[in-house]
Amino acid sequence: GESVGLHLPTLSVQEGDNSIINCAYSNSASDYFIWYKQESGKGPQFIIDIRSNMDKRQGQRVTVLLNKTVKHLSLQIAATQPGDSAVYFCAEIYSGTYKYIFGTGTRLKVLA
Amino acid sequence: GAVVSQHPSRVICKSGTSVKIECRSLDFQATTMFWYRQFPKKSLMLMATSNEGSKATYEQGVEKDKFLINHASLTLSTLTVTSAHPEDSSFYICSAREMTGVAEAFFGQGTRLTVV
Repeated sequence: GESVGLHLPTLSVQEGDNSIINCAYSNSASDYFIWYKQESGKGPQFIIDIRSNMDKRQGQRVTVLLNKTVKHLSLQIAATQPGDSAVYFCAEIYSGTYKYIFGTGTRLKVLA
Repeated sequence: GAVVSQHPSRVICKSGTSVKIECRSLDFQATTMFWYRQFPKKSLMLMATSNEGSKATYEQGVEKDKFLINHASLTLSTLTVTSAHPEDSSFYICSAREMTGVAEAFFGQGTRLTVV
């Protein structure tokens, strides 16, 4: 299930199930979006990106969906594995400034 | 993807001293580098943007005299935390962008700073 704690919201899923992590972005002018995975004590690791002229993009086991109408981004992970346990951040970028604005993050816990 | 290396990965320093963190792009020339700060269980907060050969642009609320940024070459940017205090303890992360007009940036592995 999903819970919102004092800090990072946490999503717990059973190994093998699909995970869906959501993100609301703030700037309607943002035209590039990236999902990052961050493990404890490490920098963000690129997972998948999508440009604003698309609404869906698939990678290996991951899919990103973009809904510009409601400024919403989601990351779907198929057949979640223990190695997927980490904190996931979305980042929105506006090509006018190229500044990355990160979302609050979601901790994914994979249960054996 | 391109590699960005940060050094050191961990540093402990005494209050009142200064600490320098390096960010290097190993296999590309970085026209722009970004410095972020991350508190425990929080998201990354952009501190400043630096372009090679020019002064860094700091985000609102970030003290430029406290956090000195130098981007002297296309492969190296440094962040110096001056007169460090315990409240400066944090995880600092840099990222680098290869060229103007390209959005994708690559992240370093971060530096854990502890001020005692």
